[in-house]
Amino acid sequence: GQNIDQPTEMTATEGAIVQINCTYQTSGFNGLFWYQQHAGEAPTFLSYNVLDGLEEKGRFSSFLSRSKGYSYLLLKELQMKDSASYLCAVRDQSWGKLQFGAGTQVVVTP
Amino acid sequence: DAGVIQSPRHEVTEMGQEVTLRCKPISGHDYLFWYRQTMMRGLELLIYFNNNVPIDDSGMPEDRFSAKMPNASFSTLKIQPSEPRDSAVYFCASSWGAGGAQPQHFGDGTRLSIL
Repeated sequence: GQNIDQPTEMTATEGAIVQINCTYQTSGFNGLFWYQQHAGEAPTFLSYNVLDGLEEKGRFSSFLSRSKGYSYLLLKELQMKDSASYLCAVRDQSWGKLQFGAGTQVVVTP
Repeated sequence: DAGVIQSPRHEVTEMGQEVTLRCKPISGHDYLFWYRQTMMRGLELLIYFNNNVPIDDSGMPEDRFSAKMPNASFSTLKIQPSEPRDSAVYFCASSWGAGGAQPQHFGDGTRLSIL
């Protein structure tokens, strides 16, 4: 079966760093996506990993280890606007289909 | 550039009524996805199309739900008859291709409440 696990909520201070972990067990693997979703809004694409290693995009980085079924999203220099839900999604053996995790609610405090 | 456009943004209707949700994908995108999001179940894929053809509808909850894509620029998701448990946010997303780093782009969603 499919299983994607993320922590439910994380709290961090403005200017700090937060790491959101995602573990997955899926039938096949064809890439992992991270999306950001502000309350009441649509998910928006943040990053994509298909090979092991780190992908950096400004203040956001994403890491993947396929052998461990593990990814993390690193948010640096946190800003108040980063308060949102972060969704991990895995593309499995079915091209086109994404399996989404339940999301991690990040709360940034002053 | 126009993103994915969904209508209506909000819908409140009574149990038993027919509900039709509409989606216009990004021009040139050949994949279209319908999702449902609830607090309990998160974001679930209902059905997706490639070049207007339904590829996988295994996520459609039951026969009350149907989806069509008559052309490359329009899709509908219909619920008939609607029930209170169908209350959710319904998102439409589109992408160019289904492989590689091509992300799915989401519309703003339809917030559906069935009384």
